[in-house]
Amino acid sequence: GAGVSQSPRYKVAKRGQDVALRCDPISGHVSLFWYQQALGQGPEFLTYFQNEAQLDKSGLPSDRFFAERPEGSVSTLKIQRTQQEDSAVYLCASSLGYAEEAFFGQGTRLTVV
Amino acid sequence: GENVEQHPSTLSVQEGDSAVIKCTYSDSASNYFPWYKQELGKRPQLIIDIRSNVGEKKDQRIAVTLNKTAKHFSLHITETQPEDSAVYFCAARTYNQGGKLIFGQGTELSVKP
Repeated sequence: GAGVSQSPRYKVAKRGQDVALRCDPISGHVSLFWYQQALGQGPEFLTYFQNEAQLDKSGLPSDRFFAERPEGSVSTLKIQRTQQEDSAVYLCASSLGYAEEAFFGQGTRLTVV
Repeated sequence: GENVEQHPSTLSVQEGDSAVIKCTYSDSASNYFPWYKQELGKRPQLIIDIRSNVGEKKDQRIAVTLNKTAKHFSLHITETQPEDSAVYFCAARTYNQGGKLIFGQGTELSVKP
């Protein structure tokens, strides 16, 4: 693909529902990052993968947040029992290596009602 | 951990004027400083970056300066055009933190024709 692809673009969830957000990184990119961007704020780091290994999950706000990248390509961010404060844009980024330029997807806008 | 502060939060200039956005960082081990442009509803896109071994970098109308001693870096846009209107984010990356970016809060730039 031409860039990082995320789906769905928009997701409305009722409070308490589980959601799964998908990221397709640029082919061959080893590093994959998830960020959370609240309205009017800068992106905040959630977690980082190098291939299939989750090397840093220090930014995940609670144990309701879980991310995986089982085959070192596509990644899924799962949020269990969504709450209103989870409403944000979730951005995925990938790079050839951790020290290289990061390319962002268009994000998934999650609204919890 | 790293903390990045960005100022101003909003900036309005006349077309053709220059715009300057400033960021400070806290971790002296940070060694990579990208700037992203984000238009409404779109993905952040890298416009310029600088590594800690140089003090200035230019790309046409855009330049970035870095002062490692003072731990601050700035984005300069000359001859601004209406299409420069967007939110700009600075970020910092620390060499031993696996590639995660710490972002500033963003600057909404408005260029009036």
